[in-house]
Amino acid sequence: AQSVTQLDSQVPVFEEAPVELRCNYSSSVSVYLFWYVQYPNQGLQLLLKYLSGSTLVKGINGFEAEFNKSQTSFHLRKPSVHISDTAEYFCAVRGTSGTYKYIFGTGTRLKVLA
Amino acid sequence: GAGVSQSPSNKVTEKGKDVELRCDPISGHTALYWYRQSLGQGLEFLIYFQGNSAPDKSGLPSDRFSAERTGGSVSTLTIQRTQQEDSAVYLCASSPRKDRVTYEQYFGPGTRLTVT
Repeated sequence: AQSVTQLDSQVPVFEEAPVELRCNYSSSVSVYLFWYVQYPNQGLQLLLKYLSGSTLVKGINGFEAEFNKSQTSFHLRKPSVHISDTAEYFCAVRGTSGTYKYIFGTGTRLKVLA
Repeated sequence: GAGVSQSPSNKVTEKGKDVELRCDPISGHTALYWYRQSLGQGLEFLIYFQGNSAPDKSGLPSDRFSAERTGGSVSTLTIQRTQQEDSAVYLCASSPRKDRVTYEQYFGPGTRLTVT
């Protein structure tokens, strides 16, 4: 079984400051990892994903995440945030074989302040 | 192209009534997922369908919940004898066929269910 922990339910940050949203997972098998973003009053959309290869993954809107297998983490980062990045961010995990089931974290609400 | 659509967008029902929520996936997507999103609870997996395989129902919270997918396309999530704790946003997502390695889920806008 897999689980995902997003320790921070809310993260306030000033515009143009860097941000890191934390995600830790637990799994007994190899996993794929994802970050989804949900802008206010919109559906979820994929931000980035790690399937294999380079542990540093770049996504849309200047976001990137690093897969750390030893620490079972997949933290999301952006060097300089904009007001438009205000949204809820979800980390998700899926086993690499035998299942198509995704497990999502509880989400982190990023609020960018002017 | 058209994305995942869900209907109705909002549903208010009285406790004890049955409700049906509909999902139209992206054409050609073989995988279809249902999730429940409650405030502060993130996305809770309910069920997924993959092609002609038996669905994974492991996330359905009780036997009041059921889902079907007709003809490998449209899906209906049914909640019988609704309870107030069923109030949430129900999200549907679809994914392309499994041999096209994208692993991306495309989400619909959701159905907001309120049980009074």
